[in-house]
Amino acid sequence: NAGVTQTPKFQVLKTGQSMTLQCAQDMNHNSMYWYRQDPGMGLRLIYYSASEGTTDKGEVPNGYNVSRLNKREFSLRLESAAPSQTSVYFCASSESQGPSRPQHFGDGTRLSIL
Amino acid sequence: KQEVTQIPAALSVPEGENLVLNCSFTDSAIYNLQWFRQDPGKGLTSLLLIQSSQREQTSGRLNASLDKSSGRSTLYIAASQPGDSATYLCAVRHSQGGSEKLVFGKGTKLTVNP
Repeated sequence: NAGVTQTPKFQVLKTGQSMTLQCAQDMNHNSMYWYRQDPGMGLRLIYYSASEGTTDKGEVPNGYNVSRLNKREFSLRLESAAPSQTSVYFCASSESQGPSRPQHFGDGTRLSIL
Repeated sequence: KQEVTQIPAALSVPEGENLVLNCSFTDSAIYNLQWFRQDPGKGLTSLLLIQSSQREQTSGRLNASLDKSSGRSTLYIAASQPGDSATYLCAVRHSQGGSEKLVFGKGTKLTVNP
């Protein structure tokens, strides 16, 4: 009963390094999301994919790229990591973008940029 | 712009007490409101989802109400237990830029003391 799986769980990077955060869901959901959670800021949407083959910017997309590899997988890439990107990153999925569909979250990736 | 506020930011109660967590939002044109629980170092677990046409939802000792016209929701926890200690987040789903987005509050950190 995996649900939404994120890898890695923890990562430390140096400024300027690149990294891809992986997310996979096994619930056959159409929509997937990437959020970041920072102290005092709540969760903020970075990018989302309403369906396979589509991606759209959220509230804080700068410095990130995403790929919806297939229906199961949605990756988040930091091309040149900056200390301001130190955060906890959450992936979520929902059956669709319909209003009655709750989002299901992974356990997060804790990323530190030195 | 939709903004979600949760009061109080932190709450400490003795075991057995009934308690209420508050959530308010600025734009009443929402599709639904969702309450989540987040344990330290973990992802978000959906507790209750209330559609915009509904007034309340119940699950076990939890009851969530929604007053869309006044932009308010409450999460009522009956007979609190130490295992209820966690951060509780509310989020509203609304339309923004032609697509649906989930906007989160910053959460209420609940501590239930034995």
